[in-house]
Amino acid sequence: ETGVTQTPRHLVMGMTNKKSLKCEQHLGHNAMYWYKQSAKKPLELMFVYNFKEQTENNSVPSRFSPECPNSSHLFLHLHTLQPEDSALYLCASSQASGATLYEQYFGPGTRLTVT
Amino acid sequence: EDKVVQSPLSLVVHEGDTVTLNCSYEVTNFRSLLWYKQEKKAPTFLFMLTSSGIEKKSGRLSSILDKKELFSILNITATQTGDSAIYLCAVTYTNDYKLSFGAGTTVTVRA
Repeated sequence: ETGVTQTPRHLVMGMTNKKSLKCEQHLGHNAMYWYKQSAKKPLELMFVYNFKEQTENNSVPSRFSPECPNSSHLFLHLHTLQPEDSALYLCASSQASGATLYEQYFGPGTRLTVT
Repeated sequence: EDKVVQSPLSLVVHEGDTVTLNCSYEVTNFRSLLWYKQEKKAPTFLFMLTSSGIEKKSGRLSSILDKKELFSILNITATQTGDSAIYLCAVTYTNDYKLSFGAGTTVTVRA
């Protein structure tokens, strides 16, 4: 158990559906991240939140919409996704001090399949 | 464009062998290099390296960073089947929250 939980662990959705992924960290960290991991590709950073402020949006399509209501919770809202969005979505958290980033701890991921 | 390149992409060894994994990088504003092990889902943190030449050890795993030649190695000695995993390296940046990952090295340890 890494202290970062994600729900659901598996999700199958149609292209017209709206769903949300949830991440919660119990480590007292102040920064949270969303990553996408596709087969045979490096982990791709999607969004970074530091103290609830979004500090990075790595050219992610608007059909992915993050929300960070507090430093312990992070959501990824999904809307009209495409089949190529099928992937493992990983949440992570870390301490951040100013602009300095420390090691990240990952959740178990949500395996998303878009049909 | 920033690059983080891991080699080899995959390897198969037998229990008891020693494995050396490489991670080279070409980035601006480098701060640190991280190693992770990913077995089924979540990558688990192994090491953070910030200074050159200082070896970090944890059991049978060790790692070192060379900031002049821009690479790091991860060694696993006396490998066990439980070491089978994808090993990821990533770099962090000064004054930026970005984290750039390599594609990973898949290690398979056969009994």
